[in-house]
Amino acid sequence: AQSVTQLDSQVPVFEEAPVELRCNYSSSVSVYLFWYVQYPNQGLQLLLKYLSGSTLVKGINGFEAEFNKSQTSFHLRKPSVHISDTAEYFCAVRSYQKVTFGTGTKLQVIP
Amino acid sequence: DVKVTQSSRYLVKRTGEKVFLECVQDMDHENMFWYRQDPGLGLRLIYFSYDVKMKEKGDIPEGYSVSREKKERFSLILESASTNQTSMYLCASSGTGEYYEQYFGPGTRLTVT
Repeated sequence: AQSVTQLDSQVPVFEEAPVELRCNYSSSVSVYLFWYVQYPNQGLQLLLKYLSGSTLVKGINGFEAEFNKSQTSFHLRKPSVHISDTAEYFCAVRSYQKVTFGTGTKLQVIP
Repeated sequence: DVKVTQSSRYLVKRTGEKVFLECVQDMDHENMFWYRQDPGLGLRLIYFSYDVKMKEKGDIPEGYSVSREKKERFSLILESASTNQTSMYLCASSGTGEYYEQYFGPGTRLTVT
């Protein structure tokens, strides 16, 4: 069984400030880790993914995430957010054909 | 540019109606998925298909069925729509292999009255 926890349902942050969106997972097998973003009235699109190798993964739009195996975490970060980053962010884990999503974190960027 | 399309963006149906949601992908992907998305619950898997005519139940299959007669098309069927099936429905596809990401359609917002 696998699960994903996104503890923060909403994160307000001022424009140009840094942000971290937290994701913790549990699984009895090896998993692959993903972050997706959903802009209003759209489907999800991939931000970044961790498959293997370097634990720091860079994605689109200046986002990056760090895989921490001992803490079973995959937190998403951006050093300086923009208004256009306002969206909902989903962490996901995949093993074999099963994909499990977290409940999402709404990032609200305040001008 | 890869594409997953869904037949409708918005749909309003009456309780008891049979509802078909269609999804088409142009990436020759083996795997296709149907999710429903509800506030505070994230995405929950209804069904997925790993090949033509092959399907597996997800976490919440009750009240739904699926059909995959062609590789590019995956249909979600609500046999008798109920108000608790009012939701956003998202279709996705991916290559075979757990390292592949999913590509999502824009979603269908279904309202059952």
